[in-house]
Amino acid sequence: NAGVTQTPKFRVLKTGQSMTLLCAQDMNHEYMYWYRQDPGMGLRLIHYSVGEGTTAKGEVPDGYNVSRLKKQNFLLGLESAAPSQTSVYFCASSTRLAGGVDTQYFGPGTRLTVL
Amino acid sequence: DQQVKQNSPSLSVQEGRISILNCDYTNSMFDYFLWYKKYPAEGPTFLISISSIKDKNEDGRFTVFLNKSAKHLSLHIVPSQPGDSAVYFCAASDASGSRLTFGEGTQLTVNP
Repeated sequence: NAGVTQTPKFRVLKTGQSMTLLCAQDMNHEYMYWYRQDPGMGLRLIHYSVGEGTTAKGEVPDGYNVSRLKKQNFLLGLESAAPSQTSVYFCASSTRLAGGVDTQYFGPGTRLTVL
Repeated sequence: DQQVKQNSPSLSVQEGRISILNCDYTNSMFDYFLWYKKYPAEGPTFLISISSIKDKNEDGRFTVFLNKSAKHLSLHIVPSQPGDSAVYFCAASDASGSRLTFGEGTQLTVNP
């Protein structure tokens, strides 16, 4: 049981390049999320998905796209990378608890640098 | 605007003493509050949560207190251990229970 895994762990891009970050979970969770963490700003939600084939915008969606073609995978795409997208990206998944809040399980993160 | 705020970027305590981490929020629609712990080069891990219908929740050495009138919550760690040294994030959710809004985090250092 690997939990939530993220690929790659590190990446350096040049401005204007594109890339896709992959998140995979083996807990059969319905909900998946992409966050970015920047110094002094905590974690900010980029996009999320409440089930296979669905996606929704979070707090900071501009410059990113996502897809959830399979329940276990959630992809985050950068079409034209900018230096402002230099950050650590975390994926998370959760399942709906009856009468309670979801507990989100996080991956180890991807450190992205855009030059 | 920052709906969840942790005003102390860092906190240092001695091993065996109490650690108190604070968090304030502005959105009265928040129904659930959570604390996550994060070690370097790892993702955050869930620590403890509290519903807005309660004012205290305890789990071993960790206790979360909620003061709704003041829109304030705190995490108490007693006794503190060196292994507790990490960044602690406060998070809040509305009644949907799905989307979380995080604070900036507080770096806790527990000195032996």
